[in-house]
Amino acid sequence: DADVTQTPRNRITKTGKRIMLECSQTKGHDRMYWYRQDPGLGLRLIYYSFDVKDINKGEISDGYSVSRQAQAKFSLSLESAIPNQTALYFCATSDVGVTEAFFGQGTRLTVV
Amino acid sequence: QKEVEQNSGPLSVPEGAIASLNCTYSDRVSQSFFWYRQYSGKSPELIMSIYSNGDKEDGRFTAQLNKASQYVSLLIRDSQPSDSATYLCAMGPGGFKTIFGAGTRLFVKA
Repeated sequence: DADVTQTPRNRITKTGKRIMLECSQTKGHDRMYWYRQDPGLGLRLIYYSFDVKDINKGEISDGYSVSRQAQAKFSLSLESAIPNQTALYFCATSDVGVTEAFFGQGTRLTVV
Repeated sequence: QKEVEQNSGPLSVPEGAIASLNCTYSDRVSQSFFWYRQYSGKSPELIMSIYSNGDKEDGRFTAQLNKASQYVSLLIRDSQPSDSATYLCAMGPGGFKTIFGAGTRLFVKA
């Protein structure tokens, strides 16, 4: 089983719908992140959390919200999906003082 | 605005050759640099990290850092078809401050 698990892996949704992407990890890391990846733009940080009570906006947080339900769980919500939120979404974790990020398998989201 | 620039490629090399991937960055303060490999449709995985000027070797991979010129490179010796992937350059102290480049696609021809 993967250390960082994302569900669903693929999702097609309609404009205006609310959708939640879920991430769980078994690595025991405190730090969790949500990125989106678009062709030619690299990975861009949406939100990050250093522990259950510490949640921070990244560079592209507009239109997104998150919930850190437990140390191991970090969910990303699109309140009202729009087509330009079509992208590949990655959850990642890292340990305190360690620079490497461990990524989930990704969620391919299409908003039509 | 901190930026990491990479040539999007594709970079095509024959099997057994040396693949050279380059990255420039704009933030002189950054101390840590990383190379991630990402296969099509898969998640990025860290293959090299480098923190000081010079070369760092790990198997067939060598990372090179030149802070004065603000560039970091990745050399892959004896390239194999299995090395075909997108390589992401990243900089920062790690964690949330990591800034990723858009990636260079590498294609190794058998």
